[in-house]
Amino acid sequence: GAVVSQHPSWVICKSGTSVKIECRSLDFQATTMFWYRQFPKQSLMLMATSNEGSKATYEQGVEKDKFLINHASLTLSTLTVTSAHPEDSSFYICSATGGAGLAGAPQFFGPGTRLTVL
Amino acid sequence: SQQGEEDPQALSIQEGENATMNCSYKTSINNLQWYRQNSGRGLVHLILIRSNEREKHSGRLRVTLDTSKKSSSLLITASRAADTASYFCATDELSFGAGTTVTVRA
Repeated sequence: GAVVSQHPSWVICKSGTSVKIECRSLDFQATTMFWYRQFPKQSLMLMATSNEGSKATYEQGVEKDKFLINHASLTLSTLTVTSAHPEDSSFYICSATGGAGLAGAPQFFGPGTRLTVL
Repeated sequence: SQQGEEDPQALSIQEGENATMNCSYKTSINNLQWYRQNSGRGLVHLILIRSNEREKHSGRLRVTLDTSKKSSSLLITASRAADTASYFCATDELSFGAGTTVTVRA
């Protein structure tokens, strides 16, 4: 099946620094990638949808200047948490689909990135 | 595997009718979640039910959980055209099934 990777798997950083998380589709072209955040023992929360070559669409309540998303190629999307603070500590998960987000198109999830901000 | 499996694969109903879909899983869980995916959008969390709960409501959504049968159901009452989407269940390890595609006809 299709594989989506994330890098890094986990990261610990100091408050105020920026952290970049990469999401790659390894064996298919991902026209659409999604970024989710999951707090401990809570559900996935959709943060934004990014389509290759265009600006990401952010969900209500998600600060676009805080969480910068770039989807420059069909196999790579990046999420940059700018000026991270302890409340940004979370599990960040990306998913990718090659079906332009069409209903029924399978969505493949990455393994997630654990961010801890000290 | 704890993957949730939804049934039916697809469902077409008239606006105003109720839609029911089921989810089965294989091992013990701490909670089960239902998500919706509209065309072109990511998964949106609908409702989480914990293993010690049997039923939960949220607006027009009603979720039941039967841990003895390892199954859950999602009922959407008085469906609307905007409910047209794919619905997924996931166990606490976030293993998703293939989903149920619901089409609500006006």
